[in-house]
Amino acid sequence: QKEVEQNSGPLSVPEGAIASLNCTYSDRGSQSFFWYRQYSGKSPELIMSIYSNGDKEDGRFTAQLNKASQYVSLLIRDSQPSDSATYLCAVPVGSSNTGKLIFGQGTTLQVKP
Amino acid sequence: DTEVTQTPKHLVMGMTNKKSLKCEQHMGHRAMYWYKQKAKKPPELMFVYSYEKLSINESVPSRFSPECPNSSLLNLHLHALQPEDSALYLCASSLALQGEQYFGPGTRLTVT
Repeated sequence: QKEVEQNSGPLSVPEGAIASLNCTYSDRGSQSFFWYRQYSGKSPELIMSIYSNGDKEDGRFTAQLNKASQYVSLLIRDSQPSDSATYLCAVPVGSSNTGKLIFGQGTTLQVKP
Repeated sequence: DTEVTQTPKHLVMGMTNKKSLKCEQHMGHRAMYWYKQKAKKPPELMFVYSYEKLSINESVPSRFSPECPNSSLLNLHLHALQPEDSALYLCASSLALQGEQYFGPGTRLTVT
């Protein structure tokens, strides 16, 4: 059973701090990794994708991938109350071209003013 | 532009009704998806279409019937649903299978 695991949280950080969200996956064949943000009552929004080991930065967001450790993380710098949401890690099923994504259970982030 | 649209936003239907959910994208994406999401759970894949052909049915009950009339449109026909089918139904699209998936705003379905 291929799995994606995240701490459900809630992860609470003060405004202006760095929020660190973590995700581990079981399938060593996985090649791409996605982070979605979902506000309560809304649909998931793609905020980061990463395909290579190392860091990828986009504004206040940095995705980090370590394929050897089967670990992908999302850092949010200068966290704002508007970042309060559930963050979903998603990994395509292995290298097969099916379009199937495995989602983690999501981490709820609370940014306190 | 990464917009996927869905109609209606909300739908309330009885267990004997027939209704349809609609999804549209004009990004030239060739893969489209239906997901179901319950509260505090991640999205759960229902169907995958690739180049207008059904490629995955995740053992979804036959009371849900997908249709892809053309490369921009995806429908989900609903018939004889159960109260436990109440959920947020999400449509997504991607340029190709295994690519980044972009979600529409969803249809909040309530079955009474």
